[in-house]
Amino acid sequence: EIVLTQSPGTLSLSPGERATLSCRASQTLSNNYLAWYQQRPGQAPRLLIHGASSRATGIPDRFSGSGSATDFTLTISRLEPEDFAMYYCQFYGTFGQGTKVEIK
Amino acid sequence: QLQLQESGPGLVKPSETLSLICTVSGDSITISDYYWVWVRQPPGKGLEWIGSINYSGKTYYTASLKSRVTMSVDTAKNQFSLQLTSVIAADTALYYCARLKVGGTGNLFDHWGQGTLVSVSS
Repeated sequence: EIVLTQSPGTLSLSPGERATLSCRASQTLSNNYLAWYQQRPGQAPRLLIHGASSRATGIPDRFSGSGSATDFTLTISRLEPEDFAMYYCQFYGTFGQGTKVEIK
Repeated sequence: QLQLQESGPGLVKPSETLSLICTVSGDSITISDYYWVWVRQPPGKGLEWIGSINYSGKTYYTASLKSRVTMSVDTAKNQFSLQLTSVIAADTALYYCARLKVGGTGNLFDHWGQGTLVSVSS
């Protein structure tokens, strides 16, 4: 069973700063089929990135994904107030434990 | 626009059965590219996939819950459902239904309901 480990657990940043979130898989992910989700407080998760680097429909271009094999990254180029949230990576039925992006 | 809405009791007693329904609107549940899933989130914790079902009733369940989970689909009502037997306090969670797009760039949870909180308590 594949395990996804996200780091850091919490990222404290200011609006306008760059956020870099990591997701490491315990095995190579086939076809780099890694996705990222954002979950704002009190809301359902929202698909941001699929196939490691493709933005989902309607997702702003400040969100980007990269990586391959076992190491993947979600980058938010300039944090907007609405970006402070939880972020999860996912591969098939497995989710990472999440990274919280909080206001510094 | 696709919408999913969970419904069911918000309180279940220990050892009893949790039953939830997800009603899908805005598209047919019979489209073959999709599975329909349940995901849960204990208070303050992360996301856990419970299981998936397609329009023909083919199911996949997570190993840790497989002995207690049953999912079914009602194409006439455009609904799918979850039953979780012998519940315990650890089953207390926000339960989401979602659509799972298969193929392409992997299995993607591309539409979600708003979630329904189910508490297990006597």
